[in-house]
Amino acid sequence: QKEVEQNSGPLSVPEGAIASLNCTYSDRGSQSFFWYRQYSGKSPELIMFIYSNGDKEDGRFTAQLNKASQYVSLLIRDSQPSDSATYLCAVIPGYQLIWGAGTKLIIKP
Amino acid sequence: GAGVSQSPRYKVAKRGQDVALRCDPISGHVSLFWYQQALGQGPEFLTYFQNEAQLDKSGLPSDRFFAERPEGSVSTLKIQRTQQEDSAVYLCASSTRTASGNTIYFGEGSWLTVV
Repeated sequence: QKEVEQNSGPLSVPEGAIASLNCTYSDRGSQSFFWYRQYSGKSPELIMFIYSNGDKEDGRFTAQLNKASQYVSLLIRDSQPSDSATYLCAVIPGYQLIWGAGTKLIIKP
Repeated sequence: GAGVSQSPRYKVAKRGQDVALRCDPISGHVSLFWYQQALGQGPEFLTYFQNEAQLDKSGLPSDRFFAERPEGSVSTLKIQRTQQEDSAVYLCASSTRTASGNTIYFGEGSWLTVV
């Protein structure tokens, strides 16, 4: 079992709808959780980070963390074509990022 | 510079050739990480430096891979006798300290193709 699991997709969502991306992790000691967006041919860029159980909102993005279920998600409201990218979930159980393989998101106009 | 700088951005190497990839972290950042990202995969940890000390090299895939950061700033990742399976993006990242919760800043990556 990989330490961080994501559905590889692609996840196809109509423009204007809510995109929901999910991630599970295996290390219960993980304290920090990150969502990165990666466009093809580019390096990952940080979108959100969350440390506490519950929701954290930033503009159109909401990160949700449930440590008991070892589950973190990212919601993107009012999806735009420019949101089409691969979304990588990462956790820090110690000092380094452990990554999932990413979910490819496609926003259809 | 303002961000993490990596060079070369693109490198094509013949199988068996040695390559060196450079990372210039954000000034003052203590921690430096190297990651390898194969096509369609998330980044995989290679090695970690705190200042000049290499504290973790558990992710280096073989003894052909070697990293150094002799003065605690610029780091070089060296791959000897490159193989086709070494083709990947090599990402360097730096952060201000080691504790969880830090924001880690990534360079644009060095794209290595071994032919």
